[in-house]
Amino acid sequence: GENVEQHPSTLSVQEGDSAVIKCTYSDSASNYFPWYKQELGKRPQLIIDIRSNVGEKKDQRIAVTLNKTAKHFSLHITETQPEDSAVYFCAASIGSNDYKLSFGAGTTVTVRA
Amino acid sequence: SQTIHQWPATLVQPVGSPLSLECTVEGTSNPNLYWYRQAAGRGLQLLFYSVGIGQISSEVPQNLSASRPQDRQFILSSKKLLLSDSGFYLCAWSGGTGGYEQYFGPGTRLTVT
Repeated sequence: GENVEQHPSTLSVQEGDSAVIKCTYSDSASNYFPWYKQELGKRPQLIIDIRSNVGEKKDQRIAVTLNKTAKHFSLHITETQPEDSAVYFCAASIGSNDYKLSFGAGTTVTVRA
Repeated sequence: SQTIHQWPATLVQPVGSPLSLECTVEGTSNPNLYWYRQAAGRGLQLLFYSVGIGQISSEVPQNLSASRPQDRQFILSSKKLLLSDSGFYLCAWSGGTGGYEQYFGPGTRLTVT
């Protein structure tokens, strides 16, 4: 089955700096890659996603890049703010079935004021 | 717009007692429905998913079961809870009229004592 590895497990950045989280996946048939943000005690919220026919997608201060050849994708947060502090999860579709996802273990991001 | 509800929000149950968690989705038809469990400080484990009424797929063998008695209702049950069943249970939906993105409900925090 699909195996998604996520690094780093924790990340501390100074407010205003950039944060980068990287994920690798094993199933070459995966074609959908969402990212979720989960604040303490809350539900995961979808923040951005990318499909395999696109190499990069940007939404304001967040961007995701995908390298299908290397089977890895990354989340980039620029100009970090204290409200960016949360746990971030990457996920990859299991095979070509978009409706099943395999999640990474999560990255705890702390933005220092 | 689509909304997803879960109840109860919190639950404390003794070992060996039964369990019933309910999830309902509004504003879409024929959604894919999911149950995930999140242990404290951990990632998301897919427990069950359903692509239609009466169609349940189990991802992890355990003492839990799921049912989908109506199109937009998904129930997670157990006949006898174990201590290891404690966690944050999240229902999610995708598909229907909303595309392939998965959206999570508010979750149920279950503590087995």
